[in-house]
Amino acid sequence: AQSVTQPDIHITVSEGASLELRCNYSYGATPYLFWYVQSPGQGLQLLLKYFSGDTLVQGIKGFEAEFKRSQSSFNLRKPSVHWSDAAEYFCAVVIAGNMLTFGGGTRLMVKP
Amino acid sequence: GAGVSQSPRYKVAKRGQDVALRCDPISGHVSLFWYQQALGQGPEFLTYFQNEAQLDKSGLPSDRFFAERPEGSVSTLKIQRTQQEDSAVYLCASSLDGRSGNTIYFGEGSWLTVV
Repeated sequence: AQSVTQPDIHITVSEGASLELRCNYSYGATPYLFWYVQSPGQGLQLLLKYFSGDTLVQGIKGFEAEFKRSQSSFNLRKPSVHWSDAAEYFCAVVIAGNMLTFGGGTRLMVKP
Repeated sequence: GAGVSQSPRYKVAKRGQDVALRCDPISGHVSLFWYQQALGQGPEFLTYFQNEAQLDKSGLPSDRFFAERPEGSVSTLKIQRTQQEDSAVYLCASSLDGRSGNTIYFGEGSWLTVV
C-alpha cells in the first residue's frame, strides 16, 4: 500500500545538538515532498518542500531536507536545535492533484 | 484575510448532537481541504473543493459527515449524530489553485470533543 512512514514517534535532543528526523515513502513515482511543523494548539506550518532539481532543500527556521531517491527518503535536518523547535513534525507527500498524505508524525522534545 | 480562519476553536458536543464547523480560507484561494487529526496521529484527508465544486469526498468516514462550500469561499463541515470516535481536531486548509505542489496553508483547527 502507498504510505508515508516516520519511524520515530518521539525524539529527544539537547539544545544545541544536531537533529535528523526520518521520513520514508512507498510510491512508484517520486512524489512532491513536504515537511510541516505543528506547535501545541496550532495549525500546520510549512517548513520546506521538494519538487525536483537540487536534492538538498533549504527551509525556514534553519531546517533543511535531503531527498534520496534510492532510499525513498526525505529526512529533515537541523545543525543546532533551539528550545523553540520543540513541536510535532510531519512529513507529507502529494502524488496527484494537491491532496497531502501525511506520516504519523515525530514529536521532538528539547532538553536544556 | 491574513490566514485560514476556523470556528469554533473548541467544541464539546454530547453524543448524538449535530455540529457545524466553519472555515474561512485565504481570500482568493480556489482550493479548500478538510482534514481530520485524531490525537497522536497525522492529519487524514476528508474532502476537497475547487471553488464551490466538491471534487473529492473519498475521505469522509460516513454519511454522517457532510461538507459544503456554496459560494466558493466559506466552507462548513457538518457532522450529524456525533459519536465518540468523531473526537478529533478538524483542520481546514486552502491553496491558491489546484496545481500540484502549491503551498497549502492550514488553519489552527477546530477541536471537537464528543462526550
